[in-house]
Formats: sequence, C-alpha cells, structure tokens
Amino acid sequence: EAQVTQNPRYLITVTGKKLTVTCSQNMNHEYMSWYRQDPGLGLRQIYYSMNVEVTDKGDVPEGYKVSRKEKRNFPLILESPSPNQTSLYFCASSLRDPRGSAGELFFGEGSRLTVL
Amino acid sequence: QKEVEQNSGPLSVPEGAIASLNCTYSDRGSQSFFWYRQYSGKSPELIMFIYSNGDKEDGRFTAQLNKASQYVSLLIRDSQPSDSATYLCAVKGNTGKLIFGQGTTLQVKP
Repeated sequence: EAQVTQNPRYLITVTGKKLTVTCSQNMNHEYMSWYRQDPGLGLRQIYYSMNVEVTDKGDVPEGYKVSRKEKRNFPLILESPSPNQTSLYFCASSLRDPRGSAGELFFGEGSRLTVL
Repeated sequence: QKEVEQNSGPLSVPEGAIASLNCTYSDRGSQSFFWYRQYSGKSPELIMFIYSNGDKEDGRFTAQLNKASQYVSLLIRDSQPSDSATYLCAVKGNTGKLIFGQGTTLQVKP
C-alpha cells in the first residue's frame, strides 16, 4: 500500500529534550516536506527536500532541522524543543517538486507533539 | 493580508443542500488551485484541482475559478453528513510554492 508513515503519532516531551520525528514514504517520491498545523494558521511549511541531500527552508524553519540521506526518509529534528513548537506535524511527499507538478501531496497521518 | 484566505466557519448546511466554500488569494500570478479535505484527526487529501477560469466538475464537487477576482470556490451538491470536514484551499503562487489557507469547517446536519 502506498503510504507516508510518521512516527511517533503522539508525543509529550519537555523543553530542551531533543527529539526526532521520522517520516518514510514507499512511493519513490522525489519531493518531501514537513508542515505544522496550528488552529487559525493552517498548514505552514517547515522544510522541504527536492531530492536526496537537497533540503531547503520553508516558511517556519526556526528550531527545526532535517536531513535527506535516503530517498524514502525525511526525519524532522527538534534539537531543543520549546512550548511554541507544540503542534500537529505532517510529513508529505510528491512525485516531483509541486512547483513542476500537479501539486498533489500525499500526507502522513500526522504527529501530535506537546512540549511542556 | 494573508496570501490565501478562507472563512474558518463553521459552515453549517442541511443534508441534501449545496455547500459553497470560498477562497481568495493575493498573488495575481497564481496558476494552480487545489482543494484538500481533512477529516477531524486525519491528514489532508486532495479532492480537486483547477487551472483554468470557469468550472470543473467531478461527481458532486464543482471547483470554480475566477482569476480576475482572485477567488476559487468549491461547491458540494447534495451534501452528506460524510462531507463534514475541514476543506483546505491551496494555491500555487507565482514562485511555484504551494500555500494553504487556514481551512473552512463544514458541518452537514442530517
């Protein structure tokens, strides 16, 4: 089954404790992206990657890191989480960069993160 | 001004009615427009896209685009309780970047 898998789905952590949210897709998609979703603000892009070893900042990259060492995986790293990073996070993938494609993104099921 | 604006709702319609969801955007050079549906607690999924002015129909869904007025809408005919969800408008701007609106929550009451 074609899918984007995120883990963990739910996490409660404390300020400053490093964490990683994993994302894996099995569709051989080149493009992957991380979004956060907050009430009233919609989906905001954190980072994206157009291919292996190619990553770039989205609209709200502060406090986050990513890496793309393999095509299928795109982990999101919070080196020192803070309460303002409490949010619902979605990983998404697309066959190509949405700028050059139909724009269909396939989303993971989301990871709800709470930072105390 | 937000780049993509939607009324957050909730928009409440009775079962069987037409639900009309609207979205305006600020970038006149935008080329592609998308509607995603997001059920509560779930991830967004693409339901329609439209590139040209006018209407595009797919089953009970019709997307309408008016580039001169910079708005795009989604009509849902014969609304069903299963259509109750948040509908996200996404616009591919002049740079090619995909920008999402905050979403409109639709409630279809039996």
